[in-house]
Amino acid sequence: DTGVSQDPRHKITKRGQNVTFRCDPISEHNRLYWYRQTLGQGPEFLTYFQNEAQLEKSRLLSDRFSAERPKGSFSTLEIQRTEQGDSAMYLCASSDDTNEKLFFGSGTQLSVL
Amino acid sequence: GQQLNQSPQSMFIQEGEDVSMNCTSSSIFNTWLWYKQDPGEGPVLLIALYKAGELTSNGRLTAQFGITRKDSFLNISASIPSDVGIYFCAGNRDDKIIFGKGTRLHILP
Repeated sequence: DTGVSQDPRHKITKRGQNVTFRCDPISEHNRLYWYRQTLGQGPEFLTYFQNEAQLEKSRLLSDRFSAERPKGSFSTLEIQRTEQGDSAMYLCASSDDTNEKLFFGSGTQLSVL
Repeated sequence: GQQLNQSPQSMFIQEGEDVSMNCTSSSIFNTWLWYKQDPGEGPVLLIALYKAGELTSNGRLTAQFGITRKDSFLNISASIPSDVGIYFCAGNRDDKIIFGKGTRLHILP
């Protein structure tokens, strides 16, 4: 299967700890997106990359959040000093340069205790 | 915040019934997308619409891109139990894809 892959699927952490999630996009896709989804809501845009360049960041992405895509392939999303409000599903998606369709991974469900 | 309004928020139907849901916005979008999400999974793309007025089918699903480019609807014919889930519309503008809050479909036994 060559779809979008996210790791881990679930993460439970204590408040104040740092967490890092990984996303492997579809191999020929240049664009990679991170979204956050809370219960009862649709996915909310966080940031996106065109190859290794981070082109836009939402105001939802506080300074505790950092995303990287160092070689234009996989990406990581790190949350420092986690807070209970960070509990959510973090979704990664990729698309080709036409950006007409997003393909999502299965997400990482984060629970901050 | 979310800029797409989906309705209804939830639907309870009998198996075999047809379903209709829609999505509206005050802004114009270049592309409309419809996704389905099952619990604990990421959204799965159902239909993509690229031109105003376009009507596209995918099996029992039919979706249309509104003429004004500010709305879209999704129809599901002859619903079956595996249609249960949350349906999201999404619009593409300025390299960002924005999602509605979803329509939750329940099928009564």
